[in-house]
Amino acid sequence: DAKTTQPPSMDCAEGRAANLPCNHSTISGNEYVYWYRQIHSQGPQYIIHGLKNNETNEMASLIITEDRKSSTLILPHATLRDTSVYYCIVRGVMDSNYQLIWGAGTKLIIKP
Amino acid sequence: DAGITQSPRHKVTETGTPVTLRCHQTENHRYMYWYRQDPGHGLRLIHYSYGVKDTDKGEVSDGYSVSRSKTEDFLLTLESATSSQTSVYFCAISPTGFGANYGYTFGSGTRLTVV
Repeated sequence: DAKTTQPPSMDCAEGRAANLPCNHSTISGNEYVYWYRQIHSQGPQYIIHGLKNNETNEMASLIITEDRKSSTLILPHATLRDTSVYYCIVRGVMDSNYQLIWGAGTKLIIKP
Repeated sequence: DAGITQSPRHKVTETGTPVTLRCHQTENHRYMYWYRQDPGHGLRLIHYSYGVKDTDKGEVSDGYSVSRSKTEDFLLTLESATSSQTSVYFCAISPTGFGANYGYTFGSGTRLTVV
C-alpha cells in the first residue's frame, strides 16, 4: 500500500502557481519526501526532496508541514510543459528496502 | 535523458523467445536499476545493481535476469518472453543507493510487446 495520498487530478492556469498536495500521515522520523514527475511515455524526472525544512531549487519548492504529515509541491509559474503526472514518495535515507512505493500520482493539467 | 540511454526503444517479440534490453550510462554511477511500468501498478523494481557483477532481485524478478560486466552497461534479459511481460521498461541510475539524496535519473524507456 502506498505511504502517500495524492489527489488523482488537478487543473491550473498557465502562469499561475501550481500547488500539489501530498498526505503522508504515517511518515517516520528518518523518511524523506521525494517528488518526481512523468510526462506521458517518458521516464520519471526527479524534482526535489526534503526532510523537514522547506526546500527550493530551479524547478520547484517543497513545503513540509511542521508535523511532517503532509507536504506541498509548488511550481511557481506553471507552463504548458508542466502538464504531467506528479508522484510523491517517502523513503528513508538509509533505507535499504528497495521497495519504493510509487502510487498513482496526481495528473496535473496546465490550461492556457 | 542525458547520460542514460536505453535500447531498443520499441520491440515486438514472440512468446517463448529470449529478449535482451540494454541500458547504457555515461555518468559513472554505481547503482543501476530496471523497472517495469504497467497501468494500475505504477513502477515496480525488477532487478538492481550496486556495482560491476553485483546484482540483486527486486519485487518482480521472476522470469528476468540481469548482468553488469561494466560500470556503464546493465542488461535485462527475459529468458522466455510471455505476454504478461508486455510492458514499458525503464532503466534508472543513481550515485547513491536507491536514489537517496540525489534521486534517480531515468532513461526514456523501452516499450516491449510480446505476441
